[in-house]
Amino acid sequence: GESVGLHLPTLSVQEGDNSIINCAYSNSASDYFIWYKQESGKGPQFIIDIRSNMDKRQGQRVTVLLNKTVKHLSLQIAATQPGDSAVYFCAENREGGGNKLTFGTGTQLKVEL
Amino acid sequence: DTEVTQTPKHLVMGMTNKKSLKCEQHMGHRAMYWYKQKAKKPPELMFVYSYEKLSINESVPSRFSPECPNSSLLNLHLHALQPEDSALYLCASSQAGGVTRGSEQYFGPGTRLTVT
Repeated sequence: GESVGLHLPTLSVQEGDNSIINCAYSNSASDYFIWYKQESGKGPQFIIDIRSNMDKRQGQRVTVLLNKTVKHLSLQIAATQPGDSAVYFCAENREGGGNKLTFGTGTQLKVEL
Repeated sequence: DTEVTQTPKHLVMGMTNKKSLKCEQHMGHRAMYWYKQKAKKPPELMFVYSYEKLSINESVPSRFSPECPNSSLLNLHLHALQPEDSALYLCASSQAGGVTRGSEQYFGPGTRLTVT
């Protein structure tokens, strides 16, 4: 399953499928990006980050892709599990903002059994 | 220890009350943050403390007053709040100070605040 984070706030996938969550950012000077997972009633949990000198970074079952040309970020989750159900936020660190993070609107991921 | 703790978990207060939210981290981080999160919305930055000094105030109303007693503690003092201030208040910390970019922020579980 695939979503455009800002325009399709809910993504439903079958357990075991791969998920792709997308995020568009606006500031070409942003050079640090983070994906957070937020489960109901909890604070955001760090998933993976990427700096602008990279275009891909892999973690455990997750991959982040960065396309600076079109200012697009995606999070790929392999073999999606019920425990992956949550809201996923991308966040960018903009130039001139110190360590301030600006969050995207978020995508709700629902994993269907 | 990669934990940020927040107390209380839930708080209900009247518009004339004074209360405080507390946040603590023992990761040696030198930057700490307060965020406000409304339902189904992303976190919005309120304040950043860097090396125990306020470095960013995102034009937050004065009824919210932050305090950083030491590098491990962050408080948010609340006074004369409005019902629209009801939200989840999140604390976060990061290794780098506020003027240094590109440092992962660790979030606490939040305090669910209801103003009646």
